[in-house]
Amino acid sequence: DAKTTQPTSMDCAEGRAANLPCNHSTISGNEYVYWYRQIHSQGPQYIIHGLKNNETNEMASLIITEDRKSSTLILPHATLRDTAVYYCIVRVTPDKLIFGTGTRLQVFP
Amino acid sequence: GAGVSQSPSNKVTEKGKDVELRCDPISGHTALYWYRQSLGQGLEFLIYFQGNSAPDKSGLPSDRFSAERTGGSVSTLTIQRTQQEDSAVYLCASNLPGSATQYFGPGTRLLVL
Repeated sequence: DAKTTQPTSMDCAEGRAANLPCNHSTISGNEYVYWYRQIHSQGPQYIIHGLKNNETNEMASLIITEDRKSSTLILPHATLRDTAVYYCIVRVTPDKLIFGTGTRLQVFP
Repeated sequence: GAGVSQSPSNKVTEKGKDVELRCDPISGHTALYWYRQSLGQGLEFLIYFQGNSAPDKSGLPSDRFSAERTGGSVSTLTIQRTQQEDSAVYLCASNLPGSATQYFGPGTRLLVL
Protein backbone atom coordinates (compact mmCIF):
# COMPACT_ATOMS: atom_id res chain seq x y z
CA ASP A 1 0.00 0.00 0.00
CA ALA A 2 1.17 3.51 -0.83
CA LYS A 3 2.67 5.63 1.92
CA THR A 4 0.75 8.73 2.96
CA THR A 5 1.90 11.96 4.56
CA GLN A 6 -0.38 14.12 6.69
CA PRO A 7 0.20 17.12 8.94
CA THR A 8 0.47 16.17 12.58
CA SER A 9 -2.17 18.57 13.78
CA MET A 10 -4.61 21.25 12.64
CA ASP A 11 -7.03 23.67 14.26
CA CYS A 12 -10.39 24.80 12.93
CA ALA A 13 -13.02 27.20 14.23
CA GLU A 14 -16.45 25.78 14.81
CA GLY A 15 -18.73 26.37 11.82
CA ARG A 16 -15.87 26.84 9.40
CA ALA A 17 -14.71 24.32 6.81
CA ALA A 18 -11.91 21.99 7.86
CA ASN A 19 -9.61 21.06 4.98
CA LEU A 20 -7.32 18.12 5.78
CA PRO A 21 -4.59 17.42 3.22
CA CYS A 22 -2.92 14.13 2.41
CA ASN A 23 0.01 13.40 0.12
CA HIS A 24 0.22 10.00 -1.56
CA SER A 25 2.72 10.59 -4.35
CA THR A 26 3.47 6.88 -4.88
CA ILE A 27 -0.15 5.85 -5.32
CA SER A 28 -0.76 3.38 -8.14
CA GLY A 29 -3.62 3.36 -10.59
CA ASN A 30 -5.85 0.88 -8.79
CA GLU A 31 -5.37 2.14 -5.25
CA TYR A 32 -8.26 3.86 -3.53
CA VAL A 33 -7.95 6.72 -1.06
CA TYR A 34 -9.81 6.07 2.20
CA TRP A 35 -10.42 8.39 5.13
CA TYR A 36 -11.22 7.24 8.64
CA ARG A 37 -11.38 9.16 11.88
CA GLN A 38 -10.96 8.18 15.50
CA ILE A 39 -12.68 10.15 18.19
CA HIS A 40 -11.05 9.82 21.58
CA SER A 41 -11.60 6.41 23.21
CA GLN A 42 -13.62 5.07 20.28
CA GLY A 43 -12.91 2.73 17.38
CA PRO A 44 -12.10 4.26 13.99
CA GLN A 45 -15.04 5.39 11.88
CA TYR A 46 -15.20 5.24 8.09
CA ILE A 47 -15.75 8.64 6.48
CA ILE A 48 -15.38 8.43 2.71
CA HIS A 49 -13.32 6.92 -0.08
CA GLY A 50 -12.55 7.55 -3.76
CA LEU A 51 -10.48 6.45 -6.71
CA LYS A 52 -10.29 9.32 -9.21
CA ASN A 53 -13.39 11.44 -8.98
CA ASN A 54 -14.32 13.77 -6.20
CA GLU A 55 -16.79 12.25 -3.78
CA THR A 56 -19.33 13.67 -1.35
CA ASN A 57 -21.48 12.07 1.31
CA GLU A 58 -23.36 13.23 4.36
CA MET A 59 -20.18 13.50 6.39
CA ALA A 60 -17.60 15.03 4.09
CA SER A 61 -16.23 15.70 0.63
CA LEU A 62 -13.10 14.17 -0.86
CA ILE A 63 -11.15 16.09 -3.47
CA ILE A 64 -8.50 14.08 -5.35
CA THR A 65 -6.05 15.89 -7.61
CA GLU A 66 -5.96 14.96 -11.27
CA ASP A 67 -2.58 13.24 -10.92
CA ARG A 68 -3.93 11.46 -7.79
CA LYS A 69 -0.82 12.30 -5.83
CA SER A 70 -2.71 14.17 -3.17
CA SER A 71 -6.19 14.59 -1.76
CA THR A 72 -8.12 16.79 0.65
CA LEU A 73 -10.85 15.82 3.03
CA ILE A 74 -13.32 18.63 3.59
CA LEU A 75 -15.66 18.87 6.56
CA PRO A 76 -17.86 21.73 5.36
CA HIS A 77 -19.09 23.01 8.73
CA ALA A 78 -16.90 21.65 11.50
CA THR A 79 -18.45 21.08 14.92
CA LEU A 80 -16.83 20.36 18.27
CA ARG A 81 -17.77 16.71 17.78
CA ASP A 82 -15.50 16.56 14.74
CA THR A 83 -12.46 16.85 17.00
CA ALA A 84 -10.60 13.60 16.27
CA VAL A 85 -7.59 12.04 14.61
CA TYR A 86 -8.13 11.75 10.85
CA TYR A 87 -6.37 9.00 8.92
CA CYS A 88 -5.74 8.98 5.17
CA ILE A 89 -5.09 5.47 3.82
CA VAL A 90 -4.46 4.25 0.29
CA ARG A 91 -5.05 0.62 -0.52
CA VAL A 92 -6.00 -1.79 -3.25
CA THR A 93 -6.65 -5.03 -1.46
CA PRO A 94 -9.64 -5.63 0.79
CA ASP A 95 -7.54 -6.71 3.72
CA LYS A 96 -5.67 -4.93 6.45
CA LEU A 97 -5.63 -1.17 6.76
CA ILE A 98 -2.24 0.40 7.33
CA PHE A 99 -2.82 3.36 9.63
CA GLY A 100 -0.25 6.13 9.76
CA THR A 101 -0.09 8.72 12.51
CA GLY A 102 -2.94 10.80 11.06
CA THR A 103 -3.87 14.45 11.63
CA ARG A 104 -5.15 15.51 15.00
CA LEU A 105 -7.95 18.01 14.25
CA GLN A 106 -8.97 20.30 17.08
CA VAL A 107 -12.21 22.21 16.52
CA PHE A 108 -12.51 25.19 18.85
CA PRO A 109 -15.54 27.32 19.77
CA GLY B 1 -28.51 -0.99 14.70
CA ALA B 2 -26.26 -4.02 15.21
CA GLY B 3 -22.67 -2.95 14.82
CA VAL B 4 -19.48 -4.78 15.68
CA SER B 5 -19.46 -5.68 19.35
CA GLN B 6 -16.55 -6.63 21.55
CA SER B 7 -16.31 -8.06 25.02
CA PRO B 8 -15.23 -7.41 27.63
CA SER B 9 -15.01 -3.66 27.26
CA ASN B 10 -12.28 -3.56 29.91
CA LYS B 11 -10.01 -6.27 31.24
CA VAL B 12 -7.44 -6.05 34.00
CA THR B 13 -5.20 -9.04 34.46
CA GLU B 14 -1.99 -10.02 36.16
CA LYS B 15 1.22 -10.63 34.29
CA GLY B 16 1.49 -14.25 33.24
CA LYS B 17 -2.24 -14.93 33.03
CA ASP B 18 -4.06 -15.83 29.82
CA VAL B 19 -6.84 -13.62 28.43
CA GLU B 20 -9.52 -14.11 25.79
CA LEU B 21 -11.04 -11.22 23.88
CA ARG B 22 -14.22 -11.68 21.87
CA CYS B 23 -15.49 -10.03 18.72
CA ASP B 24 -18.96 -10.32 17.21
CA PRO B 25 -18.88 -8.91 13.68
CA ILE B 26 -21.80 -7.43 11.80
CA SER B 27 -24.06 -10.19 10.49
CA GLY B 28 -23.11 -11.18 6.95
CA HIS B 29 -19.62 -9.70 7.13
CA THR B 30 -17.27 -12.43 6.00
CA ALA B 31 -14.03 -10.58 6.66
CA LEU B 32 -12.87 -9.88 10.20
CA TYR B 33 -9.77 -8.04 11.43
CA TRP B 34 -7.98 -7.56 14.71
CA TYR B 35 -5.90 -4.46 15.43
CA ARG B 36 -4.05 -3.21 18.50
CA GLN B 37 -3.58 0.37 19.66
CA SER B 38 -1.10 1.09 22.40
CA LEU B 39 -1.44 4.28 24.44
CA GLY B 40 -0.84 7.31 22.25
CA GLN B 41 0.06 5.18 19.24
CA GLY B 42 -1.52 4.40 15.90
CA LEU B 43 -3.38 1.23 15.05
CA GLU B 44 -1.34 -1.89 14.42
CA PHE B 45 -2.75 -4.74 12.30
CA LEU B 46 -2.70 -8.16 13.96
CA ILE B 47 -4.66 -10.71 11.89
CA TYR B 48 -7.26 -10.98 9.13
CA PHE B 49 -9.93 -13.66 8.70
CA GLN B 50 -11.84 -14.48 5.54
CA GLY B 51 -14.54 -16.83 6.71
CA ASN B 52 -12.92 -19.14 9.24
CA SER B 53 -9.46 -19.08 7.69
CA ALA B 54 -6.73 -16.55 8.39
CA PRO B 55 -4.82 -15.72 5.21
CA ASP B 56 -2.82 -13.00 6.93
CA LYS B 57 -1.44 -13.47 10.42
CA SER B 58 1.57 -11.30 9.78
CA GLY B 59 0.82 -8.80 12.52
CA LEU B 60 0.69 -11.17 15.48
CA PRO B 61 3.61 -9.98 17.64
CA SER B 62 4.59 -13.35 19.13
CA ASP B 63 3.48 -16.94 19.47
CA ARG B 64 1.71 -15.96 22.69
CA PHE B 65 -0.96 -14.42 20.47
CA SER B 66 -3.49 -16.56 18.62
CA ALA B 67 -6.93 -16.08 17.16
CA GLU B 68 -9.69 -18.24 15.84
CA ARG B 69 -13.00 -17.75 14.17
CA THR B 70 -15.85 -20.22 14.15
CA GLY B 71 -18.97 -20.43 12.03
CA GLY B 72 -17.76 -17.51 9.97
CA SER B 73 -18.90 -15.23 12.75
CA VAL B 74 -17.50 -14.80 16.27
CA SER B 75 -13.76 -14.49 16.71
CA THR B 76 -11.64 -14.88 19.81
CA LEU B 77 -8.18 -13.37 20.28
CA THR B 78 -6.18 -15.19 22.95
CA ILE B 79 -3.08 -13.84 24.63
CA GLN B 80 -1.16 -16.37 26.68
CA ARG B 81 1.19 -15.52 29.54
CA THR B 82 0.37 -11.81 29.28
CA GLN B 83 3.12 -9.25 29.62
CA GLN B 84 2.86 -5.60 30.61
CA GLU B 85 3.66 -4.54 27.05
CA ASP B 86 0.47 -6.29 25.92
CA SER B 87 -1.52 -3.49 27.58
CA ALA B 88 -3.42 -1.76 24.80
CA VAL B 89 -6.83 -1.35 23.22
CA TYR B 90 -7.66 -4.32 21.01
CA LEU B 91 -9.98 -3.41 18.16
CA CYS B 92 -12.00 -5.65 15.89
CA ALA B 93 -13.42 -4.70 12.49
CA SER B 94 -15.47 -6.42 9.81
CA ASN B 95 -16.61 -5.79 6.27
CA LEU B 96 -19.00 -7.08 3.65
CA PRO B 97 -17.83 -9.33 0.81
CA GLY B 98 -16.42 -7.20 -1.99
CA SER B 99 -16.32 -4.06 0.13
CA ALA B 100 -13.13 -2.65 1.57
CA THR B 101 -14.91 -0.38 4.06
CA GLN B 102 -14.23 -1.71 7.53
CA TYR B 103 -16.55 -1.16 10.47
CA PHE B 104 -14.89 -1.09 13.87
CA GLY B 105 -16.06 -2.17 17.27
CA PRO B 106 -15.53 -0.10 20.44
CA GLY B 107 -12.49 -2.10 21.48
CA THR B 108 -11.37 -3.98 24.57
CA ARG B 109 -9.06 -2.08 26.89
CA LEU B 110 -6.55 -4.54 28.32
CA LEU B 111 -4.37 -3.63 31.28
CA VAL B 112 -1.71 -6.09 32.40
CA LEU B 113 -0.43 -5.38 35.89
